[in-house]
Amino acid sequence: AQSVAQPEDQVNVAEGNPLTVKCTYSVSGNPYLFWYVQYPNRGLQFLLKYITGDNLVKGSYGFEAEFNKSQTSFHLKKPSALVSDSALYFCAFGSGGYQKVTFGTGTKLQVIP
Amino acid sequence: DTEVTQTPKHLVMGMTNKKSLKCEQHMGHRAMYWYKQKAKKPPELMFVYSYEKLSINESVPSRFSPECPNSSLLNLHLHALQPEDSALYLCASSYPGQREKLFFGSGTQLSVL
Repeated sequence: AQSVAQPEDQVNVAEGNPLTVKCTYSVSGNPYLFWYVQYPNRGLQFLLKYITGDNLVKGSYGFEAEFNKSQTSFHLKKPSALVSDSALYFCAFGSGGYQKVTFGTGTKLQVIP
Repeated sequence: DTEVTQTPKHLVMGMTNKKSLKCEQHMGHRAMYWYKQKAKKPPELMFVYSYEKLSINESVPSRFSPECPNSSLLNLHLHALQPEDSALYLCASSYPGQREKLFFGSGTQLSVL
């Protein structure tokens, strides 16, 4: 079965430090991978996607993600964390002719002032 | 207008009640989705409508009945729910050519007593 895995339930980082939220995938063929963020009491917001092409994908709010085929990873990164980045982050993949987006278990990011 | 609007925001219902959740978007999206999210869990896909036709039903129990009366509206009719159906119900929409980029509403928090 296809899936994405987020090995960390929570990541803590100091404000101003670089952050990484990890995601590994088990998806057949060419993977369609995405990152979403969910702020408290809100729906999810799309951050970025990898379909094909450059392995470094840039997205919203200064986030980027690196696709690594050999390590089957798609880690989310930001050079300098803000307190306002504190939220729940979901890695996801697309399937079913693109109609279906399936989410990982989520990682809570806490940025400490 | 880049919003997906869901009503009501909160709903409490008994197991014998009939209620409906509503979702509206005016972005010209032709794909609309219902997701269910339990606390501290990822959203799980329930239904997908494409051009007002049901294209995916993820084996959802019949006590949940979706309806897409037009391209801007999506309803979820609820009947004889169980307490375990209590969850956050999220509506989303997307452009036909960008199905990975879902626009989510803030959800309806449903409690079944």
